[in-house]
Amino acid sequence: QVQLKESGPGLVKPSETLSLTCTVSGFSLTSYHVSWVRQPPGKGLEWMGVIWGDGSTAYNSALKSRLSISRDTSKSQVFLKMSSLKTEDTATYYCARDHPRLFDYWGQGVMVTVSS
Amino acid sequence: DIQMTQSPASLSASLEEIVTITCQPSQDIGNYLSWYQQKPGKSPQLLIHSATSLADGVPSRFSGSRSGTQYSLKINRLQVEDTGIYYCLQGYSAPLTFGSGTKLEIK
Repeated sequence: QVQLKESGPGLVKPSETLSLTCTVSGFSLTSYHVSWVRQPPGKGLEWMGVIWGDGSTAYNSALKSRLSISRDTSKSQVFLKMSSLKTEDTATYYCARDHPRLFDYWGQGVMVTVSS
Repeated sequence: DIQMTQSPASLSASLEEIVTITCQPSQDIGNYLSWYQQKPGKSPQLLIHSATSLADGVPSRFSGSRSGTQYSLKINRLQVEDTGIYYCLQGYSAPLTFGSGTKLEIK
């Protein structure tokens, strides 16, 4: 069965770099895309970027200068790195299977707080 | 970027009632429109894809439609478990963009 699970630090300091991992099972990263979506507390959803089955990536232009998505297919893991963190980056971060252009399976999410 | 105007922002309805939520994109998105339900403390779940297709395992009281450039999610015979926030998503072009959400509560 398809599963995605995010992991990473719950607290990061401003100006530091956030590193998150999405571990997937039940499907191959070379056959499906994986997107990252975030949600600030009490707010809506924001698509951050995607890594496609061929390994290429696309990013939300609002985050592009700070964001990097990569993967390790042998470990079924997708990685998100976002630099120069601000307090406004406090959010729950989700990875989701990108079908494409729609998200049919989501991880449980990981809450990240940016604070000194 | 394509803006998704979703309405209403909140909605209170009674059990067994019919409710409708709409999304209006700022430009043509074809049928690249999906709907999600998010319950408190949970991740969003896919309800409808391709504007009108019901996702696997979703109750048939949920339906999606398109009229011109307006997209709608309809819930027939509202149930207690339908409480949550509903979002639309356009998948036509990057960046993919969500509507602002509709908070649905049961009276």
